[in-house]
Amino acid sequence: AQKVTQAQTEISVVEKEDVTLDCVYETRDTTYYLFWYKQPPSGELVFLIRRNSFDEQNEISGRYSWNFQKSTSSFNFTITASQVVDSAVYFCALSEDRRDDKIIFGKGTRLHILP
Amino acid sequence: GAVVSQHPSRVICKSGTSVKIECRSLDFQATTMFWYRQFPKQSLMLMATSNEGSKATYEQGVEKDKFLINHASLTLSTLTVTSAHPEDSSFYICSATPGGRGETQYFGPGTRLLVL
Repeated sequence: AQKVTQAQTEISVVEKEDVTLDCVYETRDTTYYLFWYKQPPSGELVFLIRRNSFDEQNEISGRYSWNFQKSTSSFNFTITASQVVDSAVYFCALSEDRRDDKIIFGKGTRLHILP
Repeated sequence: GAVVSQHPSRVICKSGTSVKIECRSLDFQATTMFWYRQFPKQSLMLMATSNEGSKATYEQGVEKDKFLINHASLTLSTLTVTSAHPEDSSFYICSATPGGRGETQYFGPGTRLLVL
């Protein structure tokens, strides 16, 4: 069975600090896909990244970076020089290589960036 | 990028009435749409998977007669909450995907339903 664990329920950091959100996943498939979504207070889920299981290269997009390590089944997300606008709930999600396209969400990490 | 709209964004209704929520993919054809429900401070709970032209697939514990889903075209899916009750009050979010295994789901802005 597939599973996504985000052990950090809530994190608070002061603006400009770096912060890492952890994500650990479980799957028996060799082909799978990992996602991160951001849900600001408005409620809409914003897609951040999609990574397939064969691509372990780390990715950087502006202040955001992702560290995918198959050896530890982790797909961690780091925000560098955090800003107040980064305050949101962040969800990590997993999709296996199935026709139904379902994705399983973690419980989310609520991030507070304090001014 | 892919845009998904949802309407209405907020609705208040009386107990016993039915409410219809629309989900549209604006710039792509969505072979599959999903309906989620989210309670305050919780994760998203998948309710059903909707494929164009066929019956929706409901998750265990979701009443198909209560939550009617129609996916009449490749850009539109609707969720109707029938005979709504206060316990149906929630945040309902749809997502759409152009299809293909592991394809990204793009989410609508959500609908806040309050049943009095």
